[in-house]
Amino acid sequence: LAKTTQPISMDSYEGQEVNITCSHNNIATNDYITWYQQFPSQGPRFIIQGYKTKVTNEVASLFIPADRKSSTLSLPRVSLSDTAVYYCLVVLYNQGGKLIFGQGTELSVKP
Amino acid sequence: SAVISQKPSRDICQRGTSLTIQCQVDSQVTMMFWYRQQPGQSLTLIATANQGSEATYESGFVIDKFPISRPNLTFSTLTVSNMSPEDSSIYLCSVVVRGQGATDTQYFGPGTRLTVL
Repeated sequence: LAKTTQPISMDSYEGQEVNITCSHNNIATNDYITWYQQFPSQGPRFIIQGYKTKVTNEVASLFIPADRKSSTLSLPRVSLSDTAVYYCLVVLYNQGGKLIFGQGTELSVKP
Repeated sequence: SAVISQKPSRDICQRGTSLTIQCQVDSQVTMMFWYRQQPGQSLTLIATANQGSEATYESGFVIDKFPISRPNLTFSTLTVSNMSPEDSSIYLCSVVVRGQGATDTQYFGPGTRLTVL
């Protein structure tokens, strides 16, 4: 089962770019990477997902190198409202999109 | 995407009783999951609930304690039976939506906060 490893916590300041790196050494060929954001007392919110190279949407970018053993979530110009826990997950494609959550990265954005 | 609602949003229950949590989705979905999130912890998968078949439980979770129903493609229930204070958690349901390129995205409900006294 693909396990992910990411920093437990990170600090940043408003307006900075934040990069959170995740390792997933045992990712299978058909699986892909997804990132979620969770605020206290709310369900996780989907941010972005990708299989390889670079994916960008209106809130973040996801960089995945050719070997797919790691990925980096990039949040441009963070604000105080980006303070949350960020989860890096491997989507188990052959198990109907099943997710196994790790501990996540607690991002704290300071003024 | 998918819009998911859960009922109740929160409840306080006495030990030994049972609570049934409802999960409603605004579209038909095949894959539905139930998670538990204990205070300050990450999410733990309880079971996979597919319509027309019995739920598949993860290690450490059993049907007698967490019976699940999935009567149709838009609805599921999770019952927490014979509750103890250790069952105090947030319970979340999620659904998988298949997008372009056959990629699956999982969307989560708002959660049900359960406190057992």
